[in-house]
Amino acid sequence: DAGVTQSPTHLIKTRGQHVTLRCSPISGHKSVSWYQQVLGQGPQFIFQYYEKEERGRGNFPDRFSARQFPNYSSELNVNALLLGDSALYLCASSFLDRNTEAFFGQGTRLTVV
Amino acid sequence: QQPVQSPQAVILREGEDAVINCSSSKALYSVHWYRQKHGEAPVFLMILLKGGEQKGHEKISASFNEKKQQSSLYLTASQLSYSGTYFCGASTGSGNTGKLIFGQGTTLQVKP
Repeated sequence: DAGVTQSPTHLIKTRGQHVTLRCSPISGHKSVSWYQQVLGQGPQFIFQYYEKEERGRGNFPDRFSARQFPNYSSELNVNALLLGDSALYLCASSFLDRNTEAFFGQGTRLTVV
Repeated sequence: QQPVQSPQAVILREGEDAVINCSSSKALYSVHWYRQKHGEAPVFLMILLKGGEQKGHEKISASFNEKKQQSSLYLTASQLSYSGTYFCGASTGSGNTGKLIFGQGTTLQVKP
């Protein structure tokens, strides 16, 4: 069975540019969450979508946005990139939005130069 | 407020046991444990739900004290493959699995 897949795996962008990260959840999973992980720290919650509706937003600026498509895949968009946006971006999917396991994809390593 | 994990780091010999603790200042609905190896994604280990239900790997055990807002992960007879950074993720409020607040991590190194 395919796990959570993210693309691309690595990305280098210049300050001020825009980036789109993609996530395909495990088949049948309806909840997708995005996390940012800076080196040496735990993942930090950015967004959650369940059944194509935003269910939560973390403490991130409006430059960060996301959406979920009818097939439950998701995109994370970041505008006006800053050096501090360099991190591992993780996507996690779960079947339901509560009381169930969440599984992570391999992440997208974003480097802003 | 993120959960606080202790210890921050631990070094073991193969076969030794370890306990990793996770403490929250907010009421916990569920606790999720993950292991992450360098350069890889976090791997799901266990979920502990309010009320006592647990789901996870057979060889991993954990406890969840709802009153004390604490959880502990027990690693027994450690193997080299147990090395990595362990994170606890806390779900508060209504138990939303999709919005986990993670601790800072505990680095475990198992030596031969």
